[in-house]
Amino acid sequence: DTEVTQTPKHLVMGMTNKKSLKCEQHMGHRAMYWYKQKAKKPPELMFVYSYEKLSINESVPSRFSPECPNSSLLNLHLHALQPEDSALYLCASSPRLGGSKSQYFGPGTRLLVL
Amino acid sequence: GESVGLHLPTLSVQEGDNSIINCAYSNSASDYFIWYKQESGKGPQFIIDIRSNMDKRQGQRVTVLLNKTVKHLSLQIAATQPGDSAVYFCAEDNTDKLIFGTGTRLQVFP
Repeated sequence: DTEVTQTPKHLVMGMTNKKSLKCEQHMGHRAMYWYKQKAKKPPELMFVYSYEKLSINESVPSRFSPECPNSSLLNLHLHALQPEDSALYLCASSPRLGGSKSQYFGPGTRLLVL
Repeated sequence: GESVGLHLPTLSVQEGDNSIINCAYSNSASDYFIWYKQESGKGPQFIIDIRSNMDKRQGQRVTVLLNKTVKHLSLQIAATQPGDSAVYFCAEDNTDKLIFGTGTRLQVFP
């Protein structure tokens, strides 16, 4: 299995809702990432987990809360989002941090905040 | 939503021609570089990578060139096909983070 899966594919939520995005990989990778991508822009790093511990938080607002329950799963909990948070949310994984290893991306969750 | 007035640099090529997509990177200490292809509605897909101790690497129909002197990376696609139409991003590995370039849209016309 050489892919990263993400659910749901699409999500529409109101500003008072709580929702979660899910990501899964079975490649034995120990580093997992969340990115945000706006239209016609490159992906922007949000969070990095290494061996299930949060390694990097790129000053992301607290309305985004990541969680890594085990080495295969990565969640992103969403609460009280703003319309400007509408974007494509991408999950990626790599064998480990550093060491010149490529990151492999999932298909993304397209989020619309109303 | 989309920002009015912003657009990606676009390269238009005829099917069968070779394509060259360029990228300037920022950190002279970066030692690993990747090219990704992103089709509409999909996540970025790994194409090819190169380490800083190399200046050229070839894959199937793709070649990456690295010029560390001027901090420049290029992706060459031979015999471009309609399926190559996508946005292409270069990325540099910078202390456990990938820093992406702005992207280039490749359009292939018959």
